[in-house]
Amino acid sequence: SAVISQKPSRDICQRGTSLTIQCQVDSQVTMMFWYRQQPGQSLTLIATANQGSEATYESGFVIDKFPISRPNLTFSTLTVSNMSPEDSSIYLCSVRTGMNTEAFFGQGTRLTVV
Amino acid sequence: GEDVEQSLFLSVREGDSSVINCTYTDSSSTYLYWYKQEPGAGLQLLTYIFSNMDMKQDQRLTVLLNKKDKHLSLRIADTQTGDSAIYFCAESSGGSYIPTFGRGTSLIVHP
Repeated sequence: SAVISQKPSRDICQRGTSLTIQCQVDSQVTMMFWYRQQPGQSLTLIATANQGSEATYESGFVIDKFPISRPNLTFSTLTVSNMSPEDSSIYLCSVRTGMNTEAFFGQGTRLTVV
Repeated sequence: GEDVEQSLFLSVREGDSSVINCTYTDSSSTYLYWYKQEPGAGLQLLTYIFSNMDMKQDQRLTVLLNKKDKHLSLRIADTQTGDSAIYFCAESSGGSYIPTFGRGTSLIVHP
C-alpha cells in the first residue's frame, strides 16, 4: 500500500491568486495523478504527473492553468493559477504502484475561491 | 451518456442491507472498483473485481458483476451509521492505469 500526505487540506483563496498543492508519498511509486472533484460531480482526471518530464494533460486542462511538477518518485505538486470561483473544488492526488494495481488517494485539498 | 453511471442517493435503515448499483459502457473493462469517500477524506478502495469474476465477497461486502449487462453492484450487509459516505464505482480497461469514475452514490443510514 501507499500512504499519501496532501497539503494543504483546505484553503480559501482570493481570485486572481495561485495555490500550490503538495503530494508526498511514503514510498516510490510509478504513477502519480491529479484529479478534480467538483461538488456533486465525479472525479475528473486533470493530468498524469511524469517524473522528470512535462505532465500529460487531459482534454480541457492546460499547463498554464495547472502547472505540475514531479521532481522524484515520491513527490508532486499541482498549482492552480489565476484562480476564479469556478476553480472551487476538491483536488486529489492519486498514485499507483504499478500497472493493474489499485489506485490510492490522498485526503484531498478543499479549495474555495472567493 | 456517461461512461459510468450510478444513482446519486440511497437511504437505508440501520441494520438493513444496502445495494448500490452501477452501469458502465466499456465492454473491455477488466477491473471494476468500489471506493468509499467519507466527509472531508480522500477515496478509500473498498474492493475490486476482475471482469472474469461474477461475484466477490469480503466480510459485509458483496460485489456482483453482470458482464453481459455491464452492471456492477455493491451490497453492504447489516448497514451501520458508519457506512454513511459517498460510494464511487470505477472501471479501468486492460493497459490503462486510469480508472473512470461514476458520480458517486451518497449512502445515508438512519436509525
